[in-house]
Amino acid sequence: AQSVTQPDIHITVSEGASLELRCNYSYGATPYLFWYVQSPGQGLQLLLKYFSGDTLVQGIKGFEAEFKRSQSSFNLRKPSVHWSDAAEYFCAVGAGQAGTALIFGKGTTLSVSS
Amino acid sequence: EAGVAQSPRYKIIEKRQSVAFWCNPISGHATLYWYQQILGQGPKLLIQFQNNGVVDDSQLPKDRFSAERLKGVDSTLKIQPAKLEDSAVYLCASLGHSGNYGYTFGSGTRLTVV
Repeated sequence: AQSVTQPDIHITVSEGASLELRCNYSYGATPYLFWYVQSPGQGLQLLLKYFSGDTLVQGIKGFEAEFKRSQSSFNLRKPSVHWSDAAEYFCAVGAGQAGTALIFGKGTTLSVSS
Repeated sequence: EAGVAQSPRYKIIEKRQSVAFWCNPISGHATLYWYQQILGQGPKLLIQFQNNGVVDDSQLPKDRFSAERLKGVDSTLKIQPAKLEDSAVYLCASLGHSGNYGYTFGSGTRLTVV
């Protein structure tokens, strides 16, 4: 069965510092991987997604993620965090068939200190 | 294009009452999902529709939850009777035929059961 683990419940980063949010998945075949961001009272906004090809994926708002099959990981990174990045971040995995519902991790809450 | 519309945004009910949520997906999107997001957790799939047919309702508590998608367009999710543990955000998402995993989420309905 598919599963997603986000080991960090809460992370605090200074504004301007770099960020890495961890995500590990469990799936037998090549997964489809996603990162979403959710601000308070808002729905989920897609940051980036990985299907195949280049393992380094660029997303919106300056985020990127790297797929590492050997480590079953899909970590999210940003070189310089802005105060507006404070939100909750979810990693999700989809099975290899288009339309299959996503399975989400429990999320990581990012706080940004000045 | 217009996004996924959900209403109401907030709802407070007493336990054992009934409640209904409405979702209007992006025009032309055949697949529709309802997710439940309990505070501090990631979204969990309740039910998936393909047009007006149910694809997956294995995690829907059928003794109290029901959902329908008449005519394959908008959808309603109902809870009757509600329990305290049903307090959550209910997210609707839709997916088109593009096959590129372009899920779009609504802003959700926040339900509080008291």
